[in-house]
Amino acid sequence: DVKVTQSSRYLVKRTGEKVFLECVQDMDHENMFWYRQDPGLGLRLIYFSYDVKMKEKGDIPEGYSVSREKKERFSLILESASTNQTSMYLCASTRGQHQETQYFGPGTRLLVL
Amino acid sequence: AQKITQTQPGMFVQEKEAVTLDCTYDTSDPSYGLFWYKQPSSGEMIFLIYQGSYDQQNATEGRYSLNFQKARKSANLVISASQLGDSAMYFCAMREASGYSTLTFGKGTMLLVSP
Repeated sequence: DVKVTQSSRYLVKRTGEKVFLECVQDMDHENMFWYRQDPGLGLRLIYFSYDVKMKEKGDIPEGYSVSREKKERFSLILESASTNQTSMYLCASTRGQHQETQYFGPGTRLLVL
Repeated sequence: AQKITQTQPGMFVQEKEAVTLDCTYDTSDPSYGLFWYKQPSSGEMIFLIYQGSYDQQNATEGRYSLNFQKARKSANLVISASQLGDSAMYFCAMREASGYSTLTFGKGTMLLVSP
């Protein structure tokens, strides 16, 4: 079974703090993704990576950065957290074959005060 | 323009009845895939069903089937014999072949199944 894990299920941070969200997958997938989910807006892609040290901006990259130093790990960084970054963050991975689903982690609910 | 449109913010259905969740999509790519996911209140995204643009037959997985109408660009999810455990958010998503395996999601439909 594919497993995607995220470092925290719930996180509370203060405005201005640097926040790291970690995602690890155990299936040697090339592609990894970070989404945020907000009520009424669905899932929106923040960043993705198709290889180690490679990254591409998604639809809403502003205020975020990412790091992929190892194939299995993809980190999302909020350099200076703001209240409008309070959200559910979902990580996903896939090998990238056309018909293959993305496998999702359990999500991190981030509250920025 | 939205690439994936789910027009129903919420749906109610009685247990054991069938329900259809609507999804329309917009793409000029001749090769694409359509996915449906279920998200219970616990938050995890569960893959339900996949339909490729060149697939001749509608996809089916147990109680789930996908009513794929290519000319109308619709990919509705049909759940037969609803169960209480089907209460969840449902998301339609599309992958275009020209992309990096990225998915574009709709805004979701909340399904509530009553006894």
